Amino acid sequence: DIQMTQSPSSLSASVGDRVTITCRASQSITTYLNWYQQKPGKAPKLLIYAASSLQDGVPSRFSGSGSGTDFTLTISGLQPEDFATYYCQQSYSLPPTFGQGTKVEIK
Amino acid sequence: EVQLVESGGGLVQPGRSLRLSCAASGFTFDDYAMHWVRQAPGKGLEWVSSISWTGNSIVYADSVKGRFTISRDNAKNSLYLQMNSLRVDDTALYYCARDPAVAGTGGYFDYWGQGILVAVSS
Repeated sequence: DIQMTQSPSSLSASVGDRVTITCRASQSITTYLNWYQQKPGKAPKLLIYAASSLQDGVPSRFSGSGSGTDFTLTISGLQPEDFATYYCQQSYSLPPTFGQGTKVEIK
Repeated sequence: EVQLVESGGGLVQPGRSLRLSCAASGFTFDDYAMHWVRQAPGKGLEWVSSISWTGNSIVYADSVKGRFTISRDNAKNSLYLQMNSLRVDDTALYYCARDPAVAGTGGYFDYWGQGILVAVSS
């Protein structure tokens, strides 16, 4: 199975900050990398698919980049509603696997 | 509007069985592969099983292989997860999720249900 490792596990940031979360795959997954946002008590929400494609309805302050084994989710101008846990997930091969999550908290 | 609504969860003793259902609406159900993904309390996301749009291709996580069975009824726009020989570590919120990816990849999840709790305890 492909292992996905996110860093950091948690971070504190202020409204308006630029936030970067990284995700590393244990082998090349080309651009088969997706990002989800999960708020407490809610189902995950797809933000980015295929490493850099923004899902319909997701604000443009969210962006994704990377290929191969190293990927980044960037939030440009953190908003109050962005405080949540973020997960990366590889869709290169079965089984699909998730990173352990990054919790973005209010500073 | 795409909707996925899970049902059938609850509290069950170890070794017993439970059947989850997921009712889909707002899209052409038999155009999409579907998945079950679970989340233990306070933990991350774990993929459980997937089924192709025809039902002919099925895959399971090692942790549930031989105990869980995924199925679908395209006429009823429904996805199912039969869970047998339940263990304490199967306790989780179970989500059904739609997969827009092309066949042959690991799949990803563009719509999720609200989740249904399965608690396994004596």
